[in-house]
This record gives sequence, structure tokens and C-alpha cells, in this order.
Amino acid sequence: SQTIHQWPATLVQPVGSPLSLECTVEGTSNPNLYWYRQAAGRGLQLLFYSVGIGQISSEVPQNLSASRPQDRQFILSSKKLLLSDSGFYLCAWSNRPGQAFSGNTIYFGEGSWLTVV
Amino acid sequence: AQKITQTQPGMFVQEKEAVTLDCTYDTSDQSYGLFWYKQPSSGEMIFLIYQGSYDEQNATEGRYSLNFQKARKSANLVISASQLGDSAMYFCAMREGTNDYKLSFGAGTTVTVRA
Repeated sequence: SQTIHQWPATLVQPVGSPLSLECTVEGTSNPNLYWYRQAAGRGLQLLFYSVGIGQISSEVPQNLSASRPQDRQFILSSKKLLLSDSGFYLCAWSNRPGQAFSGNTIYFGEGSWLTVV
Repeated sequence: AQKITQTQPGMFVQEKEAVTLDCTYDTSDQSYGLFWYKQPSSGEMIFLIYQGSYDEQNATEGRYSLNFQKARKSANLVISASQLGDSAMYFCAMREGTNDYKLSFGAGTTVTVRA
């Protein structure tokens, strides 16, 4: 069965420091990968998605970047964190269109709580 | 414009009763999918149920059912026989088209089940 893991689960970082959140998927190949952010008490906002190694699409302009160095690894980064980067970050995966169309649910990792101070 | 609207910020329900969570959506695509996720206080997003735009029957998964009214663009979630463990935030989400699986989320509804 497929599993998704992301880490660290929580972190507190000072303004201006770098960030690296990692996500890995097991039990599948060629997945679509996503990074979402959830502000307190609100819905999820898609930040980045990737359909393959090195292929990153950004949904909103921001202080963050994403990379996909391996098929099942997705990394969210920042060179200098801002206070507004605080939030709950969720990595997710899905099958590619055409692999198993019915549903093609997006499955989420456990999430990472980031507090920028 | 909002693609997914959840008008109920919070709801209380008595244990063992049913509760309906509202969701309306806006899309011009003919092919789309509607999802419901549960987010307990731990933060994880748990997939509950899916309804495709071409599905003629309402989706059901155990105690969860989706009341899909295509003409009204609504996809309400019904939780039957509520349990204390159902207390959580519930999100409605939509995927448009067939080329990718990006989801648009609603603002969520907090459900509190009372004993």
C-alpha cells in the first residue's frame, strides 16, 4: 500500500532563517506531488505541484520554492522565512491522470506545523 | 470567485444523530470531481468520499454519503449515526478537468459531536 511521510512535524524558526520540509511517498511510482498550506482556521491553498522529477509548477507567488530531486521526494524550501510563512504545510500525492481515473484521490501526509518568530 | 463554498462555519450534533454539511461549487467544466476530507485536531487530512460529475448515483462510504445535486451544484456530506470521534473539521474540495488533480478547497465546517 502507498504511504506518504513528511518531516519535521513541527518547527519554530526565526525570521530570516532558511526552511526545508521534506516529503516522501512509498508504494507508488510517477506520482503527482503537491504542497499545500493551511492558515489557521482556514482551508487549504495549493502552493506547488509536480508531475515529474524536476518539474515544478507554482500556483501563487511567494517566498517559498519547491524541488523534486527524485521521483518520490518533494521538498519545500525557503532561503529567508517571513512571519507570514507561518502555517500548517501538507504534502500530498495522487496518481497521474490515466493511471486510475476513477476518483484519483489526493492523499495527504501528516502535515508540518511551522511557526516563524 | 470562490470555487467551493461551505456556509456553515460550525455545527453541533448529538451523538447517534445524522448531520448534513453543505457544500456548493462553481465550475464550467463538464468533468470534475468532488471530495470530502476530515481534519481532526491532529491536523492530518483524511479522505472520506468522492463523487464524480458523471456518476449518476450518490456516493456512499460506510456512514458517509454524498448528496449530489448536479443542477444545483451542491455536494452535501451526510454523516449518519454520529460518533464522538466524528468531531473534526470537514472540508469539501473540487478537482476540475482531467489533466491534473489540483484541488480547490472550501473554508471548512467544524463539527462537534455531543454525548
